Amino acid sequence: EAGVAQSPRYKIIEKRQSVAFWCNPISGHATLYWYQQILGQGPKLLIQFQNNGVVDDSQLPKDRFSAERLKGVDSTLKIQPAKLEDSAVYLCASSRYPNAGTGGGSELFFGEGSRLTVL
Amino acid sequence: GDSVTQMEGPVTLSEEAFLTINCTYTATGYPSLFWYVQYPGEGLQLLLKATKADDKGSNKGFEATYRKETTSFHLEKGSVQVSDSAVYFCALGRVSGSARQLTFGSGTQLTVLP
Repeated sequence: EAGVAQSPRYKIIEKRQSVAFWCNPISGHATLYWYQQILGQGPKLLIQFQNNGVVDDSQLPKDRFSAERLKGVDSTLKIQPAKLEDSAVYLCASSRYPNAGTGGGSELFFGEGSRLTVL
Repeated sequence: GDSVTQMEGPVTLSEEAFLTINCTYTATGYPSLFWYVQYPGEGLQLLLKATKADDKGSNKGFEATYRKETTSFHLEKGSVQVSDSAVYFCALGRVSGSARQLTFGSGTQLTVLP
């Protein structure tokens, strides 16, 4: 089966500009996650969707970041305006069940990521 | 809150050497523990997991045992190969309401030389 698709793979922008990342999860996966991975650090959860509803966005900087998942399939993560510290890889992941990875559900599958450089 | 601490890299080994990557965690209750691997140019992949104390996860020759008494989940492999070169992430997972939370360590870069 096809994996999690993300685009673009790379993006370079100047600070205060805007950027959007797209994610297409594995077919049939109800849960979608966006993670931010800063160089030298582990991924940090930004937002979790269950179908088209937000389950957890407690770590999303809502003054500049927004995300949506229309029709419970594809998702878009937007940053506006970007800051230097937003330079990172933005990972999208999906799972069939919301409790994936805890032993009570299915595995969590990651895309290759979108690398953002803010100058 | 939950946290995961991994040994700092990079780690460089010769082929067929023994590998240990240390991972310790801080958490309340009974989280699940995972090792993820990221090969060059690829996305994160689940390598192995353990869901309760004393469980041993294993895959592709890698093993890790959930040690609650030492709050550790060290990754081991008896004989590494060049193809094992990758970044390895230890992670802790729990469910909070309807949300699943996964907390990652900072990752350990492994390079295996022929």
